[in-house]
Amino acid sequence: QVQLQESGPGLVKPSETLSLNCSVSGDSISGYWSWIRQPAGKRLEWIGRVDTSGRTDYNPSLRSRLTMSVDTSRNQFSLRLTSATAADTAVYYCARGSGSRPFDYWGQGILITVS
Amino acid sequence: DIQMTQSPSSLSASVGDRVTISCRPSQNIRSYLTWYQHKPGSAPKLLISAASSLQSGVPTRFSGSGSGTDFTLTISSLQPEDFATYYCQQSFSLPFTFGPGTKVDIK
Repeated sequence: QVQLQESGPGLVKPSETLSLNCSVSGDSISGYWSWIRQPAGKRLEWIGRVDTSGRTDYNPSLRSRLTMSVDTSRNQFSLRLTSATAADTAVYYCARGSGSRPFDYWGQGILITVS
Repeated sequence: DIQMTQSPSSLSASVGDRVTISCRPSQNIRSYLTWYQHKPGSAPKLLISAASSLQSGVPTRFSGSGSGTDFTLTISSLQPEDFATYYCQQSFSLPFTFGPGTKVDIK
């Protein structure tokens, strides 16, 4: 059974960098992995995807501030979002899948507050 | 970006009811449509991909249909564990986008 677990600071100060990790168990980290977020009361928003070759695709709305990477040796992937603002406050999910193919496994989500 | 709309935004139904949820993208996405179920505090669950392909382990009371700009998720006989929010997502083009969700609660 594939399991994903997000980790990171629950609170980020405005203008600082939001950094999250996603640890994957039950599967080798191959293929595409994605980040998705949901601000309170709003719809899910696809942030971007990374594959184990390092290829990335980002949501254009976040591209200038976003970096995703994969660490195959630790079976985890990560997200860095610079210049955080209150608008980045959301529950962040990591998920297996490219988006072109469905997100078939998700983490439980982690609430990140920018304040 | 492809805009996704869903209707209704919420509905109240009883156990045993037939429930239908509509999803409409702003442009033709052929059959590149996925449905997810989300319960508070839990990870979203993949139900249906490619508009109508039921995922392994998902009860057969769930079904999906449609193509182009008109899609439907149907729950043939609502069960207590089905009370949740349902989202559609287009996988036709980047950036992938989700609908606003349809919350199904108990009448």
